[in-house]
Amino acid sequence: ETVLTQSPGTLSLSPGARATLSCRASQSIDTTYFAWYQQKPGQAPRLLIYSTTTRATGISDRFTGSGSGTDFTLTIKRLQSEDSAVYYCQQYDGWPQTFGQGTKLEI
Amino acid sequence: QVQIQQWGAGLLKPSETLSLTCAVSGGSFSGYYWSWIRQAPGKGLEWLAEVNHSGGTNYNPALKSRVTVSVDTFKVQVSLRLKSVTAADTAVYYCARVGRRAYHYDEKIYGPWGQGALVTVSS
Repeated sequence: ETVLTQSPGTLSLSPGARATLSCRASQSIDTTYFAWYQQKPGQAPRLLIYSTTTRATGISDRFTGSGSGTDFTLTIKRLQSEDSAVYYCQQYDGWPQTFGQGTKLEI
Repeated sequence: QVQIQQWGAGLLKPSETLSLTCAVSGGSFSGYYWSWIRQAPGKGLEWLAEVNHSGGTNYNPALKSRVTVSVDTFKVQVSLRLKSVTAADTAVYYCARVGRRAYHYDEKIYGPWGQGALVTVSS
């Protein structure tokens, strides 16, 4: 099973700043099979990014995914209060598909 | 617009069987897998199992001996059963569609999601 480790655990930033969230995999992942989700309190997760860099329908261009191999990054520009949430990475290259433990972003 | 509605018993005693159902409306049911994913309180996401419109299934090896998923194509519903529950199974359980496009089974990304169902296991 591929283990995904996210850092930092919690990130506190001001509105307008840039957030950089990291996800490290225990083994190399094909970039086709890597995704990011956003989860706000009391809500189900929402798909943000798939195939490492492709934004899901309706997702702002302030969200950018990058990475390869074992290191992946989600960057959020011009932070807004509505970006406060927990962000999860996911790999679907290995079996079973797995999620990271999440990074809590506080604005 | 696909909508997923979930329901099931919310309070169980240890050793009982968890049973949840989700109903899909507003979009295509065939050609997709439908997954169950859970989230323990304050924890991350754990994929449990998936089932497609023709009854094909895949299970997380960690839970395979206790989990069963099934489909009712007539009712457009998917069900989850988890037997012999313990307090460690306390979680919000989500039903979600797998993939953006029908019949692209390698694209195991999730959305839309159901509203989630909190299941508490306590004696």
